[in-house]
This record gives sequence, C-alpha cells and structure tokens, in this order.
Amino acid sequence: GNSVTQMEGPVTLSEEAFLTINCTYTATGYPSLFWYVQYPGEGLQLLLKATKADDKGSNKGFEATYRKETTSFHLEKGSVQVSDSAVYFCALSRAGSYQLTFGKGTKLSVIP
Amino acid sequence: GAVVSQHPSWVICKSGTSVKIECRSLDFQATTMFWYRQFPKQSLMLMATSNEGSKATYEQGVEKDKFLINHASLTLSTLTVTSAHPEDSSFYICSARVPGTGGYEQYFGPGTRLTVT
Repeated sequence: GNSVTQMEGPVTLSEEAFLTINCTYTATGYPSLFWYVQYPGEGLQLLLKATKADDKGSNKGFEATYRKETTSFHLEKGSVQVSDSAVYFCALSRAGSYQLTFGKGTKLSVIP
Repeated sequence: GAVVSQHPSWVICKSGTSVKIECRSLDFQATTMFWYRQFPKQSLMLMATSNEGSKATYEQGVEKDKFLINHASLTLSTLTVTSAHPEDSSFYICSARVPGTGGYEQYFGPGTRLTVT
C-alpha cells in the first residue's frame, strides 16, 4: 500500500537558518505529492504540490522537488522565520484518486 | 479562497451518548468531503469519503455503524459518533475537495476535539 515517511521532530531552528524536512514515500504508479502546514489552532493548509517526476513545487519561500529515483519530496527553505513555526505534513495521493495518505508530521519551532 | 468550517471546535460528552460534528464548505460546493482522525503526535488517518447524495465509503477497520456520515447537501457533511466511549476521544478533521481544480487539492477544516468521559 501507499505510505509516507517523514523525519521525526520536533525541529528547533534559529531565525534565518536553513530548513530541510525529509520525506520519502512508497506508492505504486505516479502519485501526486504535497506538503501541508498546520499553524497552531488552525486547519491544514496546502503549502505546495508536485504532480509528476522532477516537478518543483514552491510557495512562500519553501520548495520541494519530486524525485522519483529516490522516492523523495524533501521540503526546504533557505531562511526560516518565527512565523514558520508550525507542523508540516508530507502527503501523497495515488494517480486517479483524491484520497490523501499523510506522514506523521514534523513540528518546527523557530526561535528569534 | 476555499474555506471549510467545523462545528463544534471542541466537545465533551459522557460515555454512551452520541455527538454530531458538522463540516461546511463556506464559499464553494463540495461534492466530496473526507473525514480524518488524528491522534496525538500521529498522522491523519482517513476514516471515510463522503459523497453528496450517496453513502459514505469507509476505510478498512472503521466501524460504519459507529461513525455515521451524512452528506445531504453540497455544503454540509456530518459525522455522528454513536455510543461514544473514551477510546473515541480524538481530534476529528474534515476536508473538502474543490471540484474543477484538477490538482487533487483539499481544503481542511480546523478540526474538532472530542473528549469522552
């Protein structure tokens, strides 16, 4: 079946540090890949997505590249801000389906 | 943008009672909504897919008689936890798919914290 594995948290970084949150997946065919963010007290929001191999999703300074050869979709940001503190979820949906399979989430705390 | 609301945001109920959670799409019509359950420090687990005007499709291991889902209109889906027990305490989240986006995007509600005493 489909599964998503992302790095365990929590992750604590200083403001302006570089961020990487690793995500790997197992799926048949060619899934679509997503990063969702959950700010404290709010619902999950789509951060970025990629629908085919080598696509790069980007939004708000965050980037992730769909790497089929390594089945990975790592999230990166060059300079994090305190406002980026949240829980980040990697997810996939298999081709032809709208159902999402989520990783466990990684809590990021950015300190001034 | 697409907004999904949930009501209530938190609820406490006694063991053996039933509780209903509402999920509404506020500015779009959602033919498909999803219900998830999230345990502390765990991933979101899909419970069921709710399609307007038809029966919900439940994931393996989810008791359909315990978690009743109704999607009677294009903007409202409800989850009723029947005869609740303490092990049903959890964070319940709904999402709605925006039709026509083509990108399999879902918009999530803020969640409902259920505590069964």
